[in-house]
Amino acid sequence: DTGVSQNPRHKITKRGQNVTFRCDPISEHNRLYWYRQTLGQGPEFLTYFQNEAQLEKSRLLSDRFSAERPKGSFSTLEIQRTEQGDSAMYLCASSPGQGGIRTQYFGPGTRLLVL
Amino acid sequence: QQQVKQSPQSLIVQKGGIPIINCAYENTAFDYFPWYQQFPGKGPALLIAIRPDVSEKKEGRFTISFNKSAKQFSLHIMDSQPGDSATYFCAASRSMNRDDKIIFGKGTRLHILP
Repeated sequence: DTGVSQNPRHKITKRGQNVTFRCDPISEHNRLYWYRQTLGQGPEFLTYFQNEAQLEKSRLLSDRFSAERPKGSFSTLEIQRTEQGDSAMYLCASSPGQGGIRTQYFGPGTRLLVL
Repeated sequence: QQQVKQSPQSLIVQKGGIPIINCAYENTAFDYFPWYQQFPGKGPALLIAIRPDVSEKKEGRFTISFNKSAKQFSLHIMDSQPGDSATYFCAASRSMNRDDKIIFGKGTRLHILP
């Protein structure tokens, strides 16, 4: 399977703990995006990378959130001192990033539940 | 400010019927309008997409109609099947811009009765 993969698929944590999610994009896709989806809503943009450079961060991404893509391949999203309001599905997408329409392909998501 | 408005919120259609989902956008800088299909517990999957220079696009049983002057577009599903039951999201982006993040509607939960 050469699609976008995300790990873990599910994460349950206690309020105040730190969590980290991983995303592996489609091979050779140099753009990588993170979105958050709450129940009954559409995905909302969080941040994106062009290779290893983080180009934009949404105001939804508080100081407790940090994302990295150190070698321009996989990416991690860390949430520090989790809060119950962080419970959501965290989606990763990737796109070719060059030339023409940059269709974004989504992974299966990581569902986070903060108790 | 919601940039992409989607309706209805939910829709129930008999098998073989033609569900129609409508969307409206505000930002005229958007140049790419994809529709995503999402099943429970899965990530969104691209279904079909359209650029504003065409008024209609068909792929299999799925058709997008686009009205640039009204800033509206819609999805029609022909000969709907129970397997089409899912949540559908319309979306918009500036696909060839440096800032190409996707703005999603709130989704339509579609149920096709057998």
